[in-house]
Amino acid sequence: DAGVIQSPRHEVTEMGQEVTLRCKPISGHDYLFWYRQTMMRGLELLIYFNNNVPIDDSGMPEDRFSAKMPNASFSTLKIQPSEPRDSAVYFCASSLGGIGPLHFGNGTRLTVT
Amino acid sequence: AQKITQTQPGMFVQEKEAVTLDCTYDTSDPSYGLFWYKQPSSGEMIFLIYQGSYDQQNATEGRYSLNFQKARKSANLVISASQLGDSAMYFCAMRDSGGQNFVFGPGTRLSVLP
Repeated sequence: DAGVIQSPRHEVTEMGQEVTLRCKPISGHDYLFWYRQTMMRGLELLIYFNNNVPIDDSGMPEDRFSAKMPNASFSTLKIQPSEPRDSAVYFCASSLGGIGPLHFGNGTRLTVT
Repeated sequence: AQKITQTQPGMFVQEKEAVTLDCTYDTSDPSYGLFWYKQPSSGEMIFLIYQGSYDQQNATEGRYSLNFQKARKSANLVISASQLGDSAMYFCAMRDSGGQNFVFGPGTRLSVLP
């Protein structure tokens, strides 16, 4: 079975540029989460969706960040404009139901110079 | 609000010995799930074990077991017969039925010594 697929694996961009991270959840999963991981702050929840609907986006840092889930098999996290402090590993994860484990993608390592 | 505490930033264990990684949690929801994840240096997040709040038995998965003490709100991970490949960050996490959110602790870095 294919797991959660994230692209790209690595992204290096200059400050001010737009960055789009992509995620394909496991087929049939109805929850999708976006996390950011840094050494300083650990794993931070940015936003999560249930049946393609955003449920809690209180973790989204500011208006520069936006996330969409146009259908059950695809989600994007966009940063516009990007800043050096956005450098982190961004994880997408999905689950079946509201009580089970999350299955993580391999993450996207974002570096903003 | 949900909260996960892992009080051990780092732990060392000798190869082939058992080690316990501590986790305490806080929630007012009677229905919740507790999870442990492993993150090796390569970066991926690997799901290890799950314990439901209504489960009567402690969860086990191979060399991993979860010491669940509901009254104390603790969910410690026990790794038996440690191997060098167990060196990694370990995260405790919780999900309750109310928020369905998934909250992670700060993690414990385990180093297995040869």
